[in-house]
Amino acid sequence: GESVGLHLPTLSVQEGDNSIINCAYSNSASDYFIWYKQESGKGPQFIIDIRSNMDKRQGQRVTVLLNKTVKHLSLQIAATQPGDSAVYFCAESVTGGGADGLTFGKGTHLIIQP
Amino acid sequence: ETGVTQSPTHLIKTRGQQVTLRCSSQSGHNTVSWYQQALGQGPQFIFQYYREEENGRGNFPPRFSGLQFPNYSSELNVNALELDDSALYLCASSPGALLNTGELFFGEGSRLTVL
Repeated sequence: GESVGLHLPTLSVQEGDNSIINCAYSNSASDYFIWYKQESGKGPQFIIDIRSNMDKRQGQRVTVLLNKTVKHLSLQIAATQPGDSAVYFCAESVTGGGADGLTFGKGTHLIIQP
Repeated sequence: ETGVTQSPTHLIKTRGQQVTLRCSSQSGHNTVSWYQQALGQGPQFIFQYYREEENGRGNFPPRFSGLQFPNYSSELNVNALELDDSALYLCASSPGALLNTGELFFGEGSRLTVL
């Protein structure tokens, strides 16, 4: 079936550098694209989302980019900090977390080097 | 504001047994979703409950069932446990069945091990 996937399972960056995490999706009917952060032993935590009628959205230190032409989603984290170390998941949904739920990718483990 | 709480945090069962996991939703949230997260994988949608009715389901067999109570808390029941059911079970609540944001509030999960 259709799925959301990630290009890299592990990403290691220096503290203070910018991080870019990529994701490919395949369900052309998806209207919502979301990034979640999961720290060890915790549940996923919402970071930011973007609708399909947008191509860029910014939050605090994070930016999500959506390229519908190639079905690609990315999360940019500016000036990464030790607290950013976690597994990052992209997710997609037709209804925005309604009756179809969220379809998650496998995740990228972001490691911050001191 | 009380967040999403789940119980138990860890449990061990044997193949063929049944298990019940519990979830208290965040204050003011009337919708609860359950997800299964296998080790090293992303969460997979099991089902969603809104106003005590199941209103959406992922690709899980009928032996996965649930309930939602008038106070919006919820249970996940799994019958005839299989080894592959070993996973972290996550509960997520939201303030409505149609969010228009994708923002769910997750608990810390119940870690189920099936031997």
